[in-house]
Amino acid sequence: DAGVTQSPTHLIKTRGQHVTLRCSPISGHKSVSWYQQVLGQGPQFIFQYYEKEERGRGNFPDRFSARQFPNYSSELNVNALLLGDSALYLCASRRGGGPGYTFGSGTRLTVV
Amino acid sequence: KNEVEQSPQNLTAQEGEFITINCSYSVGISALHWLQQHPGGGIVSLFMLSSGKKKHGRLIATINIQEKHSSLHITASHPRDSAVYICAANLNTGNQFYFGTGTSLTVIP
Repeated sequence: DAGVTQSPTHLIKTRGQHVTLRCSPISGHKSVSWYQQVLGQGPQFIFQYYEKEERGRGNFPDRFSARQFPNYSSELNVNALLLGDSALYLCASRRGGGPGYTFGSGTRLTVV
Repeated sequence: KNEVEQSPQNLTAQEGEFITINCSYSVGISALHWLQQHPGGGIVSLFMLSSGKKKHGRLIATINIQEKHSSLHITASHPRDSAVYICAANLNTGNQFYFGTGTSLTVIP
């Protein structure tokens, strides 16, 4: 069974542009969470979705948005990119109410 | 003050040494995770603990719920253990983690 897959693995964007990151959870996992990891720091929670509804949101500006599709895959969108948005973006999925998360390998975003 | 504190931040060890990484948390949790992150960025879940102790190969993780403290031990360390080890507290609400800042481990041959 495939793990959590994220795409793309790397990308470079220019300040002010928009970016869409994608995450496919493990089959059967209905919950997807997004995290931002700036170099040298631990990951920070951005969003959690369960059954296509937002169930949690971290302390991020409205430039960050996400959605979950009927097949439980998810997109993270960031508008008006800033240099400070350069980070590794991690997606994690879990089956439902339990705490067992599986992480994807991440998307490394560089904003220049 | 961070909800999850890890120590040490950096650790260098000789191959074969016994290693301990500590994690303290201040929030109510349903589980505590130990994660391993290699230079490429991918994260691997090593352990998920809600009580007691777990062992997998040379890795041992313990948690003391009353003291809100967990430790990750590596026995007979090897250069391939070099990575960043991150402690993550899964909140009681189940919706999110608080992560420690990680411990960067380098094992020298």
